[in-house]
Amino acid sequence: QKEVEQNSGPLSVPEGAIASLNCTYSDRGSQSFFWYRQYSGKSPELIMSIYSNGDKEDGRFTAQLNKASQYVSLLIRDSQPSDSATYLCAVRGWGNTPLVFGKGTRLSVIA
Amino acid sequence: NAGVTQTPKFQVLKTGQSMTLQCAQDMNHNSMYWYRQDPGMGLRLIYYSASEGTTDKGEVPNGYNVSRLNKREFSLRLESAAPSQTSVYFCASSGLSGGAETQYFGPGTRLLVL
Repeated sequence: QKEVEQNSGPLSVPEGAIASLNCTYSDRGSQSFFWYRQYSGKSPELIMSIYSNGDKEDGRFTAQLNKASQYVSLLIRDSQPSDSATYLCAVRGWGNTPLVFGKGTRLSVIA
Repeated sequence: NAGVTQTPKFQVLKTGQSMTLQCAQDMNHNSMYWYRQDPGMGLRLIYYSASEGTTDKGEVPNGYNVSRLNKREFSLRLESAAPSQTSVYFCASSGLSGGAETQYFGPGTRLLVL
C-alpha cells in the first residue's frame, strides 16, 4: 500500500514568518511530487511540482525533494493570512499511475 | 478554457435514489479521475480512466459506476444512494505539462444523502 504521510496540524505561524510543511512517502519508486492548496469549501489547486532532488522556487514558495530520505517539503516565505488553507502533498509513481495524496496539513497564518 | 467542470454543484438525494455526476474537461487530457473527500479521510480515489475507453477501480469503488463517454467527459453514477455516500465529489483530469503528468481538479459536487 503506497502511503503519503503529513502532519495534520494545525500549523500556526505569524504573518511574515516562514511556514514549513513536510511530507514523507513510502514508495521509493515515486517519480513526481506535487503540492496542492485547498481553501475551505473549495477544490484543490496545484501550486508546485518537483521531479528531481533539490530545491525548486516559485515566488514565495519553495519545494524541496530528497528522494533518498523519501521526503518532500514546501516552504512558504513571508506568510500571509491568505495562505491559511490545507496543503496536500501528492506523489506519483512511474508512468501514468494515479496520484497518491496525503491527508493534508492545515496552515493558519496569524495576523 | 474552463478547465474541469462538474454538474451539479449541490444535490440532495433520498436513500435508494440514483443520480449521475457529470464531469467534462477542455484541456485535451487523456486521464480523468473521480475522488470523494470526507472530513479526516482526505481525498480517496473512486475510479479513474487512463484513456478514452478504459476505466479502473480506485480505493473506494463500491456503490459507484463510471462511464468515459468520450475524451472530454467522465461521469460517475450512484445506482442506489446510501447515507454513507454523503460527501464532496471531485473530478480531475491530468495531462503532460513540462514533461510530467499534471493533474487539475474541478470545483466539486456536494452530495447529501438522507
